[in-house]
Amino acid sequence: KAGVTQTPRYLIKTRGQQVTLSCSPISGHRSVSWYQQTPGQGLQFLFEYFSETQRNKGNFPGRFSGRQFSNSRSEMNVSTLELGDSALYLCASSLGLESYEQYFGPGTRLTVT
Amino acid sequence: GNSVTQMEGPVTLSEEAFLTINCTYTATGYPSLFWYVQYPGEGLQLLLKATKADDKGSNKGFEATYRKETTSFHLEKGSVQVSDSAVYFCALSGPGGGSARQLTFGSGTQLTVLP
Repeated sequence: KAGVTQTPRYLIKTRGQQVTLSCSPISGHRSVSWYQQTPGQGLQFLFEYFSETQRNKGNFPGRFSGRQFSNSRSEMNVSTLELGDSALYLCASSLGLESYEQYFGPGTRLTVT
Repeated sequence: GNSVTQMEGPVTLSEEAFLTINCTYTATGYPSLFWYVQYPGEGLQLLLKATKADDKGSNKGFEATYRKETTSFHLEKGSVQVSDSAVYFCALSGPGGGSARQLTFGSGTQLTVLP
């Protein structure tokens, strides 16, 4: 069974631009979560989606948003990029709301210049 | 809220040495506990898990036991290999829904194994 896939793997953007990252969960998994990883803050939760609905949101500004499609694929968007948004963005999938096991993709490395 | 405290690194060992990485947690109820491993340039891989007190998770020679009385989930391996060099994260999730489902991570421990 294929794992979680994320595209693109690497992105370079300029401050003020916006970016969209994509995540395809493991087949049959219906819950998708997003995390930000930085050297200073470590791993921080962004949001979780299940059945096309945001179920939980972390402590990030409104510039960070996401959505989930009917096939469980998910996208996250960051608008008005800031230098501090440079990070590894990780997507994780789980079977559903009854499962705590989350499986991660390889991440998207975003660099904001 | 939930929190995870993990042994500070980096840890450097010789091949075939014994490994222990300490992890303690604070949570309400009985969360599920996990160890994840991250190799350079990659995402996190689920290494092992335990879902209730006294459960022992194991995988690839690594083990960790869910100790409710000491709120700990220490990672151990009897004989490390160079290929085990990576960053290891202790994490918890649950119980319950909503905000309890998000994974709370420790700060990570960088392990380097020398031949």
